[in-house]
Amino acid sequence: GAGVSQSPSNKVTEKGKDVELRCDPISGHTALYWYRQSLGQGLEFLIYFQGNSAPDKSGLPSDRFSAERTGGSVSTLTIQRTQQEDSAVYLCASSLVAGADTQYFGPGTRLTVL
Amino acid sequence: GQQVMQIPQYQHVQEGEDFTTYCNSSTTLSNIQWYKQRPGGHPVFLIQLVKSGEVKKQKRLTFQFGEAKKNSSLHITATQTTDVGTYFCAGPAGTASKLTFGTGTRLQVTL
Repeated sequence: GAGVSQSPSNKVTEKGKDVELRCDPISGHTALYWYRQSLGQGLEFLIYFQGNSAPDKSGLPSDRFSAERTGGSVSTLTIQRTQQEDSAVYLCASSLVAGADTQYFGPGTRLTVL
Repeated sequence: GQQVMQIPQYQHVQEGEDFTTYCNSSTTLSNIQWYKQRPGGHPVFLIQLVKSGEVKKQKRLTFQFGEAKKNSSLHITATQTTDVGTYFCAGPAGTASKLTFGTGTRLQVTL
C-alpha cells in the first residue's frame, strides 16, 4: 500500500507569489496534519483535520496560510503572498482514526521563497 | 496549551557510548510515541507506550513511560552511526486530542 505522498517535492517561488502544496494521505486515514519544519528545527504544528469535524487551525501563523481537505482525503495547504520566512519543509502526516494515533509522514515539500 | 519539552536539544557522542533523551509534558498523556527523523528525511514512528511505568525494548533502544504519564525517556545502548538523527517524543492529552510533538533531541555519533 502507498504511504503518504506530497507534491511538489520542491518549490521555488518569488516573494509575494501564492503557492499550493498537496498532500495525499494513506487511504482510509481520517486524521490529517500539516507541520512546518525550518532547517535544524522541530516540528511546528499548523493545522489538523479529523473526519468531518471543523479543523483545528490553532497553529496557522498568519491569515496568509489556509488549508482545506476535500472529500475527507486530499488536502491542500495554500500560502498567499509568500514571504522569505515561509521558506521551510512542509510535512503532512495522516493517522488512522483519532488524532492520538500513530502518524505516518509524507516526504515533505521543500519551499524556498526568493 | 499542552507543551512537550525534550532535553538535551543536542548531543554528540562517540560510537559505542550510551545516549538518553528525556521528554516532559505539561499535561498527563494518554500515550507516548517516539519518532526518529534521519537527516534529510521525515519522522518515522518507532514505538508507542500506553501504560504507566511501561518499559519497552527494541534491540539497543529502551523506552520508558513515567509513572505519572507525564514523562518518558529513550535510552540507546552502545550507539552506532546509524543512530544519527533527531528523536521526537509525541503525546496526546487524551485519546481524542491531537498529538503534540516534543522539541526533539538531535543525536550526532562519530567514530
